[in-house]
Amino acid sequence: EPEVTQTPSHQVTQMGQEVILRCVPISNHLYFYWYRQILGQKVEFLVSFYNNEISEKSEIFDDQFSVERPDGSNFTLKIRSTKLEDSAMYFCASTPGGRNTEAFFGQGTRLTVV
Amino acid sequence: GEDVEQSLFLSVREGDSSVINCTYTDSSSTYLYWYKQEPGAGLQLLTYIFSNMDMKQDQRLTVLLNKKDKHLSLRIADTQTGDSAIYFCAEKRKGYSTLTFGKGTMLLVSP
Repeated sequence: EPEVTQTPSHQVTQMGQEVILRCVPISNHLYFYWYRQILGQKVEFLVSFYNNEISEKSEIFDDQFSVERPDGSNFTLKIRSTKLEDSAMYFCASTPGGRNTEAFFGQGTRLTVV
Repeated sequence: GEDVEQSLFLSVREGDSSVINCTYTDSSSTYLYWYKQEPGAGLQLLTYIFSNMDMKQDQRLTVLLNKKDKHLSLRIADTQTGDSAIYFCAEKRKGYSTLTFGKGTMLLVSP
């Protein structure tokens, strides 16, 4: 069964460093998303991406965040100058298309900023 | 605004039925979802229901939707220890492609 894959599963970084979280969405999907879950809190939407551009973003997705689809398969989230409060589980998701289909999530990358 | 609320914890014995409840506030929700998260793992889509339905059954899972009260429930029949996990309710609002999640309900199944 096709699935969304994320790498790495766990990343530890020093405060102020840049990190890139990687995702390979399901191959025929058109919409891609990043969500995050701070420990003990809700899963929160960060950004959605369609047709090589951001289609929606939340208040959390400020200038320190960026997304990119560098090739036909990867979808990345870059966090510049990480802060302690960026420590969270980051989930990538993809949907086949349109607005009324289910989202498939990856296993997540646990980011720990020290 | 929109919010999705769930009770935080449910404990049941193996073999019993579990009912996890969720309330939402946005009447424009089109789809409502249940995701399962096992310890250290990602979000697994269990089932979803379209807002014009009031019930959906899938093997041991039954989803009930009361649109008037904006109340969604997930019933797990014959609960097993492997069902122990956090269950997230999520809604998709009309015109948006993103999901709004609740905080999750931790289900603990004891032998």
